Amino acid sequence: QSVLTQPPSVSAAPGQKVTISCSGSSSNIGDNYVSWYQQLPGPAPKVLIYEDNKRPSGIPDRFSGSKSGTSATLGITGLQTGDEADYYCGTWDRSLSAYVFGTGTKVTVL
Amino acid sequence: EVQLVESGGGLVKPGGSLRLSCAASGFTFSSYAMNWVRQAPGKGLEWVSSISVYSTYIYYADSVKGRFTISRDNAKDSLELQMNSLRAEDTAVYYCVRDRIGVAGSNWFDPWGQGTLVTVSS
Repeated sequence: QSVLTQPPSVSAAPGQKVTISCSGSSSNIGDNYVSWYQQLPGPAPKVLIYEDNKRPSGIPDRFSGSKSGTSATLGITGLQTGDEADYYCGTWDRSLSAYVFGTGTKVTVL
Repeated sequence: EVQLVESGGGLVKPGGSLRLSCAASGFTFSSYAMNWVRQAPGKGLEWVSSISVYSTYIYYADSVKGRFTISRDNAKDSLELQMNSLRAEDTAVYYCVRDRIGVAGSNWFDPWGQGTLVTVSS
């Protein structure tokens, strides 16, 4: 099972904001940068956020990332129907010598 | 355009073997570490293995250690995953993923291939 814990689902109306938490420990989130991945229905995942809060080119600023201690958060503002997807956090775990993903969160636009 | 194209997936019986390949193009393959990540049907992402640029550092998830072997050929811009002693729980889509390195050794995965399905069933 994953060592990073996310809520199974979050939902909000179009235009609203959602936040997704990712809880870990001192050997993973507390020790390394966090990245976030979006997986739309069908296609492969793609990176949304890297190094806790940086966005690759092409990712709108509606997506933001933050980290505090052993927890990280992904925020999505101005929610759109196209944002309906599964979202995963990820980071390297120093104790496991392994990359670990979060349990995943399904975002639903009401 | 950066592209990663996996191949080699299919149906295999428990205890059998399969070799996955990933053809890379559009970037200098020999400058990037690479990874395999899998996703069982209806489940989340699971990192499987990673290999450094010159194959010096190799890591495996505990779930595949001793059964899977990752390798790369920088001359052919290819990544492979040899999977032995396959189990039903290895059934998944396997993604070939490029490793990106940032400040202070941070890393993230970008881009991902389209994936190849491995089904382990009798």
